[in-house]
Amino acid sequence: EVQLVESGGGLVQPGGSLRLSCAASGFTFSNFWMHWVRQAPGKGLVWVSRINNDGSSAFYADSVKGRFTISRDNAKNTLYLQMNSLRAEDTAVYYCVRDLMTASNHWGQGTLVTVSS
Amino acid sequence: QSALTQPASVSGSPGQSITISCTGASSDVGSYNLVSWYQHHPGKAPKLIIYEVTKRPSGDSRFSGSKSGNTASLTISGLQAEDEADYYCCSFAGSSTSLYVFGTGTKVTVL
Repeated sequence: EVQLVESGGGLVQPGGSLRLSCAASGFTFSNFWMHWVRQAPGKGLVWVSRINNDGSSAFYADSVKGRFTISRDNAKNTLYLQMNSLRAEDTAVYYCVRDLMTASNHWGQGTLVTVSS
Repeated sequence: QSALTQPASVSGSPGQSITISCTGASSDVGSYNLVSWYQHHPGKAPKLIIYEVTKRPSGDSRFSGSKSGNTASLTISGLQAEDEADYYCCSFAGSSTSLYVFGTGTKVTVL
C-alpha cells in the first residue's frame, strides 16, 4: 500500500525555521517526482515546490522562492521541505504529493504549520 | 500566476448531473492538456479524479472532464451523497512564477 506520512509541523515564530519530512513507503520512491502543496486555513490548495526523481532539479512558487528548499534522500525514502524566514502567510497544512498530475498521483494526510508569535 | 477561477459552490439533488467550470488563461489551461481535478473531503487527503483533461485514474465513470479554450470542466453524473466535498482543478502553467496553478475550489452540496 502506498503511504506518504508527513511530519515536522508545529508552531514557529515569524522569522523562524522548520523542516518538514515525508516518509514514503509501498512504492519505489526514487522513480517518482515529488511535490509539496499547501492549504491555508479556509483557503484553497496552492502548489509550493517540485523535485525530480533523482533530486537534481527543483522548482518553487514565487511566494516561497529563496526561503524554502525541497530535497530528497532516496536511500531513506524521504522527502524534505526546509522552510526559513517563515511568515504568518505560510501558515497552512502542507501535503506531500507523488506525481501531481498523473494516474500515479497520491497525497499524504498533511502536517500543520502555524507561524505566530 | 493567478489562481484558476471556479464557482464557489454548486449544488444538486441525488441522481442529477452537475458541472464545475475552471477558467484560466492562454498561458495555462489554454496551452496544455495537463488539467487535473481533485476531490477533497475536509480533514482527509485530496484524491485525484481526472487527469490530462479527460482521463480517469479509477473506474468511477460518473466523473468526466473536458476542455474548451481556456476553460476546463468537470461533470459529476448520478450525484451521490458521498460526492459532497470540495473540488479543485489544477493546470500546468510552466511559468517562472509557478509551474502549476490550482483553482479557487468549489464546494459541492448534495441537497
